[in-house]
Amino acid sequence: DTAVSQTPKYLVTQMGNDKSIKCEQNLGHDTMYWYKQDSKKFLKIMFSYNNKELIINETVPNRFSPKSPDKAHLNLHINSLELGDSAVYFCASSNRLNYGYTFGSGTRLTVV
Amino acid sequence: GQNIDQPTEMTATEGAIVQINCTYQTSGFNGLFWYQQHAGEAPTFLSYNVLDGLEEKGRFSSFLSRSKGYSYLLLKELQMKDSASYLCAVYNTDKLIFGTGTRLQVFP
Repeated sequence: DTAVSQTPKYLVTQMGNDKSIKCEQNLGHDTMYWYKQDSKKFLKIMFSYNNKELIINETVPNRFSPKSPDKAHLNLHINSLELGDSAVYFCASSNRLNYGYTFGSGTRLTVV
Repeated sequence: GQNIDQPTEMTATEGAIVQINCTYQTSGFNGLFWYQQHAGEAPTFLSYNVLDGLEEKGRFSSFLSRSKGYSYLLLKELQMKDSASYLCAVYNTDKLIFGTGTRLQVFP
């Protein structure tokens, strides 16, 4: 039933490790996004894909690599994790502008 | 640059009315959204304004003035469950840009 689902919900890992977060939407939306929410609760866009094609790549370190195997999935791979990567990462999808984005439940990443 | 400003925190009493203001300066504008986010949860859509004026949806209303770069979210008959963060966001060309959010605490 879940519209936008992310896994895992919590991720604790050591500095230097590589990790992936998965996102899937069953809403039939064409566009998917990754947002990062820092400790001050500020939501900032990282990437956007439309029909598997990258359309937004904000100023994000190239340790972050999104991958969209099809328009229902957008995964985020992070290499060489740093302490400053600790945040909540939200996946979202959209289709029709006036209904906004539908967000996943978030992945709380803690780098120790 | 892109600037979306909201008060950081507000408090109100159950049953009261509260207005959360948002001012924006963005390079483009295709609409303004309000989202509600409870602690530890995902943001959920509340309202969307693209034309000037007031949009009413039950206890919640949202107002937009494009010439002033200003919006507000009005919450009536406050309930304890309305304690949450309220995020103002501007749709700019191809993405949603969020403000820093306003944390609202409702007291009995």
